[in-house]
Amino acid sequence: KAGVTQTPRYLIKTRGQQVTLSCSPISGHRSVSWYQQTPGQGLQFLFEYFSETQRNKGNFPGRFSGRQFSNSRSEMNVSTLELGDSALYLCASGASGGQETQYFGPGTRLLVL
Amino acid sequence: AQTVTQSQPEMSVQEAETVTLSCTYDTSENNYYLFWYKQPPSRQMILVIRQEAYKQQNATENRFSVNFQKAAKSFSLKISDSQLGDTAMYFCAFASGTYKYIFGTGTRLKVLA
Repeated sequence: KAGVTQTPRYLIKTRGQQVTLSCSPISGHRSVSWYQQTPGQGLQFLFEYFSETQRNKGNFPGRFSGRQFSNSRSEMNVSTLELGDSALYLCASGASGGQETQYFGPGTRLLVL
Repeated sequence: AQTVTQSQPEMSVQEAETVTLSCTYDTSENNYYLFWYKQPPSRQMILVIRQEAYKQQNATENRFSVNFQKAAKSFSLKISDSQLGDTAMYFCAFASGTYKYIFGTGTRLKVLA
């Protein structure tokens, strides 16, 4: 089976712009979670989707949003980018989410100038 | 709220030697999973090993094993016969039924030739 894929792998934006990141889970997986990884804050949970519904959300401002499509692919959107949004954004998929094992994609590295 | 603590920011070990990475966690839940992930310089998060809290037997995966002490809320990772390819950041993670992982701050492991 193909692993979790994320596009794009690298992205450079300027403050105030918006960005959309994409994640394709492992075939058959219905849960997709998003994480932000920064040197200062470590790995922080953004949100988790299952069958097109957001089941849980981390402590991020409303500028961070996501959605999941019927084919389980997920997108994450960040509006009005700030310098502090520069990070590695990781997507992980699981068969049904919750306590089970999550499999991570390679990440999208976002740099905000 | 659940927390995960990794008290060793950096460690090093000689090739072929054994090293133990520490992780403690705090939760009031009784049913949960614990994981160790490694993140090599490529930034791809890779599952190393997982432990179900209801299982008393410690999980093992080839050269990797855990010491799970539920009462003490401790979950350490032992790497035997360390190899250069084990050089990576290691994250301990906790997952319960709330559909999100809680990660520790990571331990940077360097295997020395």
